[in-house]
Amino acid sequence: NAGVTQTPKFQVLKTGQSMTLQCAQDMNHNSMYWYRQDPGMGLRLIYYSASEGTTDKGEVPNGYNVSRLNKREFSLRLESAAPSQTSVYFCASSDPPGVGITEAFFGQGTRLTVV
Amino acid sequence: DAKTTQPTSMDCAEGRAANLPCNHSTISGNEYVYWYRQIHSQGPQYIIHGLKNNETNEMASLIITEDRKSSTLILPHATLRDTAVYYCIVRAYSGGGADGLTFGKGTHLIIQP
Repeated sequence: NAGVTQTPKFQVLKTGQSMTLQCAQDMNHNSMYWYRQDPGMGLRLIYYSASEGTTDKGEVPNGYNVSRLNKREFSLRLESAAPSQTSVYFCASSDPPGVGITEAFFGQGTRLTVV
Repeated sequence: DAKTTQPTSMDCAEGRAANLPCNHSTISGNEYVYWYRQIHSQGPQYIIHGLKNNETNEMASLIITEDRKSSTLILPHATLRDTAVYYCIVRAYSGGGADGLTFGKGTHLIIQP
């Protein structure tokens, strides 16, 4: 089972460059998320997509855009990378049931350095 | 979501039970308690969740106090592979869609050989 797959695993960008982080899940989940994690900190939500065709801002959306391409794929784009965006990025997916929230499954992360 | 308070770090001897506390004194009646852990450099992993009854699965047990203002995650026989940061998260069901989890800094559990 692949679960949540993120590409690339590592990336170095120069300030001002753009790139797209890819995420795909094979569990037929409705909801997908992008988080960032800075050293020594917990994860912070950037954007989420509760279902195919919808996206919403999380806690730290500035400098990012997202696309829910289909039910499987949710991409995160940095239009003009800044050193402050150096972080580890995690994608996750989940499928809210009728009561409560089921577990969220996380990818292995993309380690991004902006120089 | 209600705020949670966890110790920054804890040690536990290998083979012993690890008991990780979490305070959530402002929890609302419809909020669940979730536990995740993050092993170094990996994505977080779901452990267990509960509303008001104690819960047990193959990984851990969750004990929630009767007033629901605190809880304890118990790893019954800790191994070195359980060394990780453990996050206690309080979360309500969001109705039409799941708008993500709020992670604090968690507890760094170190299992000593």
